[in-house]
Amino acid sequence: EVQLLESGGDLVQPGGSLRLSCVASGFTFSSYVMSWVRQAPGKGLEWVSSIGGSGYSTYYADSVKGRFTISRDASKNTLYLRMNSLRTDDTAVYYCAKNTSGQYSFDYWGQGTLVIVSS
Amino acid sequence: QSALTQPASVSGSPGQSIIISCTGTSSDVGGYNYVSWYQQHPGKAPKLIIYDVDNRPSGISNRFSGSKSGNTASLTISGLQAEDEADYYCSSYMNPNTLGFGGGTKLTVL
Repeated sequence: EVQLLESGGDLVQPGGSLRLSCVASGFTFSSYVMSWVRQAPGKGLEWVSSIGGSGYSTYYADSVKGRFTISRDASKNTLYLRMNSLRTDDTAVYYCAKNTSGQYSFDYWGQGTLVIVSS
Repeated sequence: QSALTQPASVSGSPGQSIIISCTGTSSDVGGYNYVSWYQQHPGKAPKLIIYDVDNRPSGISNRFSGSKSGNTASLTISGLQAEDEADYYCSSYMNPNTLGFGGGTKLTVL
């Protein structure tokens, strides 16, 4: 059974930093693209970032480029999102998602972790 | 402002069919067969119901179907059931190497 378990969400001040983690199980972690998708309170879904199976290829939404860094550790079956220079509009539930074999869909999602950016 | 355009809401009675549209451009929906649809119930994570325009993942009811014409993709739900009441989101690959979502459509089963 595929499971994705996020952690690391917290209340942080504007300009602060945070690292989210997502522990994966139930599939061959290094064989799949992994992604982060966020959802602001009462709003729609927004793709944030994706990373290739090897970890060498990374992709970012314009809204987070230069501030967020996605990475993965195959030895720990863990996906990360380092978030710097946080802004109030980064407030959202952040979902970890496994991409399908075709790469452009998300077939498994975690339960989400809440990040609140506020002074 | 979302990358793709969906109606804010649709409604239908049990047993009826409804269609949710998702409009993009030739650089995303119209240019690639990488449109997906997700169902999200309140307080829950999204669930993939259609991928690559018209493919259903294992375990998804055949009441859900997808299609595309030009720059507009569509999700059809037939034989509407009370449990189908949820938010629905489309997504598409967007050149170069990004993904975009629609703003979401709230489906009400009357």
